[in-house]
Formats: sequence, structure tokens, C-alpha cells
Amino acid sequence: QVTLKESGPALVKPTQTLTLTCTFSGFSLSTFGMRVNWIRQPPGKALEWLARIDWDDDKFYNTSLKTRLTISKDTSRNQVVLTLTNMDPVDTATYYCARMAPFSSSWSIFFDYWGQGALVTVSS
Amino acid sequence: QSGLTQPPSVSGAPGQRVTISCTGSTSNIGAGYDVHWYQQLPGTVPKLLIYDNSNRPSGVPDRFSGSKSDTSASLAITGLQAEDDADYYCQSYDTSLMGSVFGGGTKLTVL
Repeated sequence: QVTLKESGPALVKPTQTLTLTCTFSGFSLSTFGMRVNWIRQPPGKALEWLARIDWDDDKFYNTSLKTRLTISKDTSRNQVVLTLTNMDPVDTATYYCARMAPFSSSWSIFFDYWGQGALVTVSS
Repeated sequence: QSGLTQPPSVSGAPGQRVTISCTGSTSNIGAGYDVHWYQQLPGTVPKLLIYDNSNRPSGVPDRFSGSKSDTSASLAITGLQAEDDADYYCQSYDTSLMGSVFGGGTKLTVL
């Protein structure tokens, strides 16, 4: 059974750095083809893809946020960590981690399992 | 533009059929990348509804169907039910962004 769960602060101040952890089970990020993503959703707004890390440690970032984002993994702990620097009130959102469906074609990139989400509010 | 465009809202009466469009470009849907759809009920996590343009995961009713053509895709829902009242998002991959992209979401209201 695949599960993912996000953890981190519920409130951060402007200019601070946000660190979120995704702890997962039911698969290993050291297995070929496994990939974990971060996606966020501001209140009442659309989903926005942020970053992805692959089993081979390849990393990909949303180009509009690339200078502020860092994604990393701890395979032994089954965790993926996302940091977002210089937080601003517009970064207030629910942050989800999601597994990319493995073993699909290179034309098929989608998310089959999602965490419950972590609401992060940016306010002084 | 590298995003996906959806109508902000659609509505229909119970039992009716509605469609939700998702318009992309030559850097995403038109490049050959598949389109996927998610349903987000109020206050819940997005749920995979359609993958690879037209495939339904186990447990998704066959009232939901998807299609793709050129640079766009559509989600059709037949026999509308009150429980279908939700937000729907399309998603694909964009080569210029080198990452996944979502549509702006469509709010389906069952009248």
C-alpha cells in the first residue's frame, strides 16, 4: 500500500525558508523508475507543479521558481525534502507530495498517489 | 504560452452530460504528451480520474471518459450526479518548461 505524508511548519514569516518533508511508504525511491513530486495549491486556486526528484537523483524544477527551490531525498528514511527560500505571502498554499506513476511510457507523466497535503501560511 | 487552459466553470442538471475542455500547445499536448484528469471534491486531495487521455483507474465509473486531439483534450461526464460537484484539473507535461503543467481548473456545478 502506497502512502505519502507531508510535514512541516504551518506558519512561516516572510523572507524565511520553508522546509517540507514528504515521508512515504509502499515503494522505494532507490527503485528504477520511481519519482516523487511536489505540487502546491493556493487557497481557492489551481494546482501548480513545483519540483520532481527521480530514483537516480535527477532533479527538475518549475522554471518560474527554480532559483528558490531545492529538492532532495533520503532513500534510507523514505523521505523527500523540499526547501523554498525567501517565502512571501503569495506562497501561502497547501503543499502536496505525489508519486509519479512508474513504469509508464515517456509520454505518460501523471501522479497516482498523493499525500494529504500541508497548509503553509506565510504571515508576519 | 506553456500552460493548459480550461473553462472556469461548467454546470448541468442531474442526468445530463457535460464536457470540460483542456487546451494546450505544441510544447505539451501537441508534442504528443498524454493528458490526465483529476477530480478534487471540496476540501479533499486531488484524485486521479483519467490517465493517458482516456483510461480510467480502477473504481472510477464509466460515466467519466476522456479524449485527446491535436493540442487539446476533453473530459466528458454522462449521467451527472450530485456527487460529481467538484473541481476538475487536466495535466500534461511541457517540454519548454521541462516539467508537469496543470490547467487552471474547472468548477462543475450540478444544478
